[in-house]
Amino acid sequence: NAGVTQTPKFQVLKTGQSMTLQCAQDMNHNSMYWYRQDPGMGLRLIYYSASEGTTDKGEVPNGYNVSRLNKREFSLRLESAAPSQTSVYFCASSEMTGLVTQYFGPGTRLLVL
Amino acid sequence: GQQLNQSPQSMFIQEGEDVSMNCTSSSIFNTWLWYKQEPGEGPVLLIALYKAGELTSNGRLTAQFGITRKDSFLNISASIPSDVGIYFCAGQLGSNDYKLSFGAGTTVTVRA
Repeated sequence: NAGVTQTPKFQVLKTGQSMTLQCAQDMNHNSMYWYRQDPGMGLRLIYYSASEGTTDKGEVPNGYNVSRLNKREFSLRLESAAPSQTSVYFCASSEMTGLVTQYFGPGTRLLVL
Repeated sequence: GQQLNQSPQSMFIQEGEDVSMNCTSSSIFNTWLWYKQEPGEGPVLLIALYKAGELTSNGRLTAQFGITRKDSFLNISASIPSDVGIYFCAGQLGSNDYKLSFGAGTTVTVRA
């Protein structure tokens, strides 16, 4: 039982490049989330998916898109990376929206040059 | 999201000390959570609090849901070196709210 897994662990991009961050959970959770973490700030919600087939914007969605591929997988895409998107990205899952015990993956560290 | 003010921003601990940190908000929260993050890892849930006044322990950790529902406290008793890390508070505004608001974290370091 791996919990929440994320790939890649680390990525360097040039401004304007695109990439997709992958997330998968094996806990049969309904809800999944993408956060970014910046120094001195708490986690900020980018997008979330309450259940398979639905996605909604969080606090900081600009510059990102998401896909809930199936119940297990939730990907985050940067279409044209900007230096302001340099951050650590965390995926999380919970049994259902509103049940707030969220379980986090190990994170993807992204550097945009 | 709602602003959560977490203090202190950082602290140094000596092995054996009891340490405390807290989180406050101008809004009433339905649920309070405390997470710990170690370097290179994602946050791990320590304690979840669901009722005003609730006091919950997890080993040497004790957290309380403030009576006003606008604050929460985390205490670590008899600290040990592996307690180092960043501790985050998080709150849920409504019972059906998907969002968690996070504090900026308290960084705990061992005093040399």
